Amino acid sequence: EVQLVESGGDLVQPGGSLRLSCAASGFTFSRFWMSWVRQAPGKGLEWVANIKREGSEKNYVDSVKGRFTISRDNAKNSLYLQMNSLRVEDTAVYYCARSDYPFDQWGQGTLVTVSS
Amino acid sequence: EIVLTQSPGTLSLSPGKRATLSCRASQSVSSGYLAWYQQKPGQAPRLLIYGIYSRATGIPDRFSGNGSGTDFTLSISRLEPEDFAVYYCQQYGTSLITFGQGTRLEIK
Repeated sequence: EVQLVESGGDLVQPGGSLRLSCAASGFTFSRFWMSWVRQAPGKGLEWVANIKREGSEKNYVDSVKGRFTISRDNAKNSLYLQMNSLRVEDTAVYYCARSDYPFDQWGQGTLVTVSS
Repeated sequence: EIVLTQSPGTLSLSPGKRATLSCRASQSVSSGYLAWYQQKPGQAPRLLIYGIYSRATGIPDRFSGNGSGTDFTLSISRLEPEDFAVYYCQQYGTSLITFGQGTRLEIK
């Protein structure tokens, strides 16, 4: 059974940093693109970033470029999102998704709250 | 960036009726890379349709996708109680992936 389990969400002050993790199991992680998608409270879905199978290509939505970094460790079957210079508008549930394409498997999400 | 506009914002129908949801793209979607997702409260999205027409594993055949270029539809032939949810379209044909704003399907 495919499983994606996110962790690392927390309450953080504006300007702070946070690192999200996604532990994958039940499939050959290294063979798939992976993505982060977020959903602000009561709002729709927003794709944040994705990363190629071996990590050689990464793409970001404009609003997080220069602040967020997606990475992966195929030996640990794990996906990461390093979030720096966090803003109030980054408050959301962050989902990791298997995205080789389309987005056929999703985790249950982890909540990031940016507030003073 | 390809902007996806979904309509209507909310659709009120009774169980057993047919639902038709629309998704319009600001430019042509490359290679038909258009998908639909269903999301229920407190749950992660679930893939329904990909490549415009193809149903994902385990999705009942009352769900169907259609369209081309910039205009796409998701149809649900006979609404079941579990179909009332929010539906999103997504294009994944460019390096900047985008979602529509969603259509809420509610019980009338």
